[in-house]
Amino acid sequence: DVKVTQSSRYLVKRTGEKVFLECVQDMDHENMFWYRQDPGLGLRLIYFSYDVKMKEKGDIPEGYSVSREKKERFSLILESASTNQTSMYLCASSPPTTYEQYFGPGTRLTVT
Amino acid sequence: ILNVEQSPQSLHVQEGDSTNFTCSFPSSNFYALHWYRWETAKSPEALFVMTLNGDEKKKGRISATLNTKEGYSYLYIKGSQPEDSATYLCAPSPGAGSYQLTFGKGTKLSVIP
Repeated sequence: DVKVTQSSRYLVKRTGEKVFLECVQDMDHENMFWYRQDPGLGLRLIYFSYDVKMKEKGDIPEGYSVSREKKERFSLILESASTNQTSMYLCASSPPTTYEQYFGPGTRLTVT
Repeated sequence: ILNVEQSPQSLHVQEGDSTNFTCSFPSSNFYALHWYRWETAKSPEALFVMTLNGDEKKKGRISATLNTKEGYSYLYIKGSQPEDSATYLCAPSPGAGSYQLTFGKGTKLSVIP
């Protein structure tokens, strides 16, 4: 079974802190994604990566950056957390052949 | 950003009822349509991937159809059970080589025992 893990299920941070959300997948997938999910807005793509050290902006990249130093790990960075970044963050990975995405359990981030 | 519409937003049905919901997407620049099920406190799980006009997929009591010419897909659940309660998401992908999925806002199904 594909396993996608995220470093924390719940996280509380203060405004202005630098926040790292980590995602690891164990299936040697090329593609990895970060989404946020907010009530009434659905899943929105923040960033994705199709290879080590490669990254592409999604629909809502402002206020975020990413890092992919190893194939299995994709990190989402909030450079200076703000209250409007309070959300559920989901990581996903996919192989290049089917585009089917496998999701992690999510991290519920609260910025106070 | 693709415009993906799902209806209804939420649905309550009695156990044993059959139900269906809709996903609408732009018919141009289409490659595949994905359906996911997202149960509370779990991760979204893939149900189906469909690419061809007229495609029909089935998994147990759940099935889906695809019309790429008019840009819609239906998801059907026959004889709903409480364990079917979840949010059902659809996501088109725009083209071969594009890894992005654009998710609809989902249909939240509640099955009342």
